[in-house]
Amino acid sequence: EVQLVESGGGLVQPGGSLRLSCAASGFTFSSYWMSWVRQAPGKGLEWVANIKQDGSEKYYVDSVKGRFTISRDNAKNSLYLQMNSLRAEDTAVYYCARYDSSGANWFDPWGQGTLVTVSS
Amino acid sequence: EIVMTQSPATLSVSPGERATLSCRASQSVSSNLAWYQQKPGQAPRLLIYGASTRATGIPARFSGSGSGTEFTLTISSLQSEDFAVYYCQQYNNWPPYSFGQGTKLEIK
Repeated sequence: EVQLVESGGGLVQPGGSLRLSCAASGFTFSSYWMSWVRQAPGKGLEWVANIKQDGSEKYYVDSVKGRFTISRDNAKNSLYLQMNSLRAEDTAVYYCARYDSSGANWFDPWGQGTLVTVSS
Repeated sequence: EIVMTQSPATLSVSPGERATLSCRASQSVSSNLAWYQQKPGQAPRLLIYGASTRATGIPARFSGSGSGTEFTLTISSLQSEDFAVYYCQQYNNWPPYSFGQGTKLEIK
């Protein structure tokens, strides 16, 4: 069974940092693009970042460029999101999502999410 | 950046009836469109990709249509478990990927 399990969320003060992790199992992690998608409380979905199979390509939504860094460790079947200079507007549930087998198109499946709250 | 607009924001339908949800792109996305279902407290689930191809395990009552800028998700006979929020997502031009704001399907 394909499974994605996020961890690392929590309460952090504005300007602080947090590192999210996503443990993948049930598939060949190194063969897939991976992504982070977030959802602010009561709001819709927002794509945050993605990373190619070998980590050679990374892309970000403009609002997190220079503050967030996506990375992966294929030996550990893990995806990461380092979040620095956090703002109140970064408060959201962060989902780890796998892309389709043909490239970087649709998201399937998604993890259960981890909540990040940025507040003083 | 492509903007995705879903309508209506909320749709009230009785069980057993048909529901039609719309998604419009600000510019053509060809058939590079996906639909997701999200229930309260759960992660989104892929329903449709390529505008009209059902994902694995998705019941046949879910169907997608459209291309270019106009897309439709139809649920032919609503079951109780279908009441949820539905999102469309384009993957024709990225980054960024863009989602619609969602349509909440509620019981009438």
